[in-house]
Amino acid sequence: AQSVTQLGSHVSVSEGALVLLRCNYSSSVPPYLFWYVQYPNQGLQLLLKYTSAATLVKGINGFEAEFKKSETSFHLTKPSAHMSDAAEYFCAVSDSPGDDKIIFGKGTRLHILP
Amino acid sequence: DTEVTQTPKHLVMGMTNKKSLKCEQHMGHRAMYWYKQKAKKPPELMFVYSYEKLSINESVPSRFSPECPNSSLLNLHLHALQPEDSALYLCASSQDRDSFYEQYFGPGTRLTVT
Repeated sequence: AQSVTQLGSHVSVSEGALVLLRCNYSSSVPPYLFWYVQYPNQGLQLLLKYTSAATLVKGINGFEAEFKKSETSFHLTKPSAHMSDAAEYFCAVSDSPGDDKIIFGKGTRLHILP
Repeated sequence: DTEVTQTPKHLVMGMTNKKSLKCEQHMGHRAMYWYKQKAKKPPELMFVYSYEKLSINESVPSRFSPECPNSSLLNLHLHALQPEDSALYLCASSQDRDSFYEQYFGPGTRLTVT
């Protein structure tokens, strides 16, 4: 079965510093990969998605992620953290259209230090 | 309008009560989803509706009964719930099942079962 592993349930970075949230997937075939963000008391918002096109995917709010097949990774980065980036981030995977199911990782809480 | 609305925001109910959660979208989306999210956990898929027909039921107990009366509205009827059903219930929609990966989420209903 498809799965994703997010390394670190909590990550703290200083405002203005690089944000790096790690995600590794398990799949024998190229999967669809996503990053979602959840702000407190809100639903999830799609940050970006990889669907077998370009390996470097740019999303909203300055985030991007790179699909690395050799490392089975899809890490999320942002060059400069902002206080408003504090939230829960979920990496997710799905096999292909028609599967319908998005399998979420356990989430990483991002804390921004002033 | 890219908004999915959910009512109520909070709901407290006893184990013998009957209540309903409501979800609405006016984006013309033809796929709608119910998720359950426990505290500090990722969302878990419960149901998928496609063109107002139930297409996926993730072995959800019958005390949860979904209904899709029209293309804009999705309900979740609750009856005889257990305290362990307390969670955040998220609704989402996508253009169609093939676009399942680009889901728009509502803010959720926080349910407490006493």
